[in-house]
Amino acid sequence: KAGVTQTPRYLIKTRGQQVTLSCSPISGHRSVSWYQQTPGQGLQFLFEYFSETQRNKGNFPGRFSGRQFSNSRSEMNVSTLELGDSALYLCASSLGGIADTQYFGPGTRLTVL
Amino acid sequence: KQEVTQIPAALSVPEGENLVLNCSFTDSAIYNLQWFRQDPGKGLTSLLLIQSSQREQTSGRLNASLDKSSGRSTLYIAASQPGDSATYLCAVLHNFNKFYFGSGTKLNVKP
Repeated sequence: KAGVTQTPRYLIKTRGQQVTLSCSPISGHRSVSWYQQTPGQGLQFLFEYFSETQRNKGNFPGRFSGRQFSNSRSEMNVSTLELGDSALYLCASSLGGIADTQYFGPGTRLTVL
Repeated sequence: KQEVTQIPAALSVPEGENLVLNCSFTDSAIYNLQWFRQDPGKGLTSLLLIQSSQREQTSGRLNASLDKSSGRSTLYIAASQPGDSATYLCAVLHNFNKFYFGSGTKLNVKP
């Protein structure tokens, strides 16, 4: 069974721009969660989508948003990029939700200049 | 607010040694706790998931314990191998709606 895939793997943007990251979950998984990993703050939970609905949300500003499609693929959007948004963005999928074992993708490395 | 701490931040051991990684959390209102490993430049791989009602879980050479009342979990690795070298993270699912991660323990197993 194919694992979680994320595209693109690397991205360079400038301040003020917006960016969209994509995540394809393992086939059959209905939950997709997003995380931000930085050297200073570590790994932080952004939000979780299940069957196209956002179910849980971390403590991030509204510039961070997401959505999930009927095929469970998910996108995360960051608007008005700031230098501090430079990070590794990870998504994870699971069968029933965030209480289940999380299967992570390789991540998208975002650099904001 | 939930805070998760992992000690030590880094650990270097010779191959074959048994070792223990520690994770502590401040709020016992957790649903479960997961241990992950992360290899450089890669995503996380789930190792063990312990429900709040459980005391321990085992998988191969790995054993994780959970003491919810004292806010502690340990990951025991038996007979360590160079392939075990990675960063190990623990994460608690707080109130069934938010993940909180520790900052990780970077393990180096020397041949």
